[in-house]
Amino acid sequence: KQEVTQIPAALSVPEGENLVLNCSFTDSAIYNLQWFRQDPGKGLTSLLLIQSSQREQTSGRLNASLDKSSGRSTLYIAASQPGDSATYLCAVNGGSYIPTFGRGTSLIVHP
Amino acid sequence: EAQVTQNPRYLITVTGKKLTVTCSQNMNHEYMSWYRQDPGLGLRQIYYSMNVEVTDKGDVPEGYKVSRKEKRNFPLILESPSPNQTSLYFCASSSGTLDLADTQYFGPGTRLTVL
Repeated sequence: KQEVTQIPAALSVPEGENLVLNCSFTDSAIYNLQWFRQDPGKGLTSLLLIQSSQREQTSGRLNASLDKSSGRSTLYIAASQPGDSATYLCAVNGGSYIPTFGRGTSLIVHP
Repeated sequence: EAQVTQNPRYLITVTGKKLTVTCSQNMNHEYMSWYRQDPGLGLRQIYYSMNVEVTDKGDVPEGYKVSRKEKRNFPLILESPSPNQTSLYFCASSSGTLDLADTQYFGPGTRLTVL
C-alpha cells in the first residue's frame, strides 16, 4: 500500500527565504503527483500536477520536481511571502482512482 | 465560475440521526469523490464515482453511502452517524479518467460534529 510522507511537518521562516518542501512515497509505480495548498478552514487548491513522465513543473514562484526512481518530489518556493503561509499537501495517484495524500507541511512566513 | 459547492458548511447533529451532505460541480466532470480530513491522519478517500451510476469504495467507506444519479451531483449520506464520524469532509471533482490525469478541484469543506 502506498505511503506518502512529508517533511518537515512544520516550518517557520522569515519573508524572502527560498524554501524546499519534501514529499516521499513508497511505491514508484505512479501516474502523477499533485501539490496542493490548504488555507485554514478551507478547501484544497491545486498548485502543480506532475505526470509520471515529467521531471518538473513550474508556476510563478513555485517549482515542483519529481524523481520516481527514488520516490521523491520537492516543492520549491522562491522568495517566500507572508501570503504563502498555508499547509502544503502532496498527493500521489497510482492509477487506482484513490489518491494517497501526505499529512502536509504547515508553513508560516513571517514579515 | 468553475466550482465545487458543498452544503451545509457546518453541521452539528446527534448520534443516529440520518444526514446528507450535498456536493455539486459545474464543470461537467466525470470523476467525483469524497474525503474526510482528520488531525494526524490527513486526507482519506471515502468513496469515488467515475460517472453516473458508477461508484466505488475508497479507503474508509464504512458508515457512509453515496449515489450518483446526475453527473453534477454526488451526495454523501450518513445513515446512522456516530461520534467517530466527526470530521472535516471534502468533495472533489476531476475531468481525469483512468489515471486522474487532470487537476482535482475541491469544495470548501463541511465540518461535521456528531454528539
